Amino acid sequence: DTGVSQNPRHKITKRGQNVTFRCDPISEHNRLYWYRQTLGQGPEFLTYFQNEAQLEKSRLLSDRFSAERPKGSFSTLEIQRTEQGDSAMYLCASSLGALGEQFFGPGTRLTVL
Amino acid sequence: GQSLEQPSEVTAVEGAIVQINCTYQTSGFYGLSWYQQHDGGAPTFLSYNALDGLEETGRFSSFLSRSDSYGYLLLQELQMKDSASYFCAVRDRQVTTDSWGKFQFGAGTQVVVTP
Repeated sequence: DTGVSQNPRHKITKRGQNVTFRCDPISEHNRLYWYRQTLGQGPEFLTYFQNEAQLEKSRLLSDRFSAERPKGSFSTLEIQRTEQGDSAMYLCASSLGALGEQFFGPGTRLTVL
Repeated sequence: GQSLEQPSEVTAVEGAIVQINCTYQTSGFYGLSWYQQHDGGAPTFLSYNALDGLEETGRFSSFLSRSDSYGYLLLQELQMKDSASYFCAVRDRQVTTDSWGKFQFGAGTQVVVTP
């Protein structure tokens, strides 16, 4: 247990539905990252925050994806109008500023039927 | 843009030494990380190199050459529990803050340790 938690751990939804995932980072960590991972691939960067500011979002990410980190604590990732191609493991990680170590949560596995 | 290349799979016997190479291209570079991921688990941090040279942590060592855009992870005295995927990840420069940016991960190297 790294201290980063994610909920839910599993989500099954029908195509076209909206889903929201939550990540609670290690409390003193100011940076929070979202990644997507499919089988046999490395984590794919989605977006990251420093405190409550969203510093960067992947250019490959469609407008259906949005993330927030109100008050610089927990974060939510929402996917609107889900598609089968969105099926993946969604990972959250947190870190402290300049340090190169990220602590990953257990992930949320999304299955879109 | 950015790209990272690492071998897809390496097989070795228990007790052997394995080196996983990672070459990268990035517009701004702040460091190279290595992560281990077992099947069904989340990535766990192994090492981070911001400067050239070798960093040693127990049986694992990581090396970086910024001039060659190259790094490697060295796994010594291989054990069965080392069977996992290993990812290199480049940290780039965040343009608006001109500071430490995001991490881009490679596709991973599957290490298979045999008895």
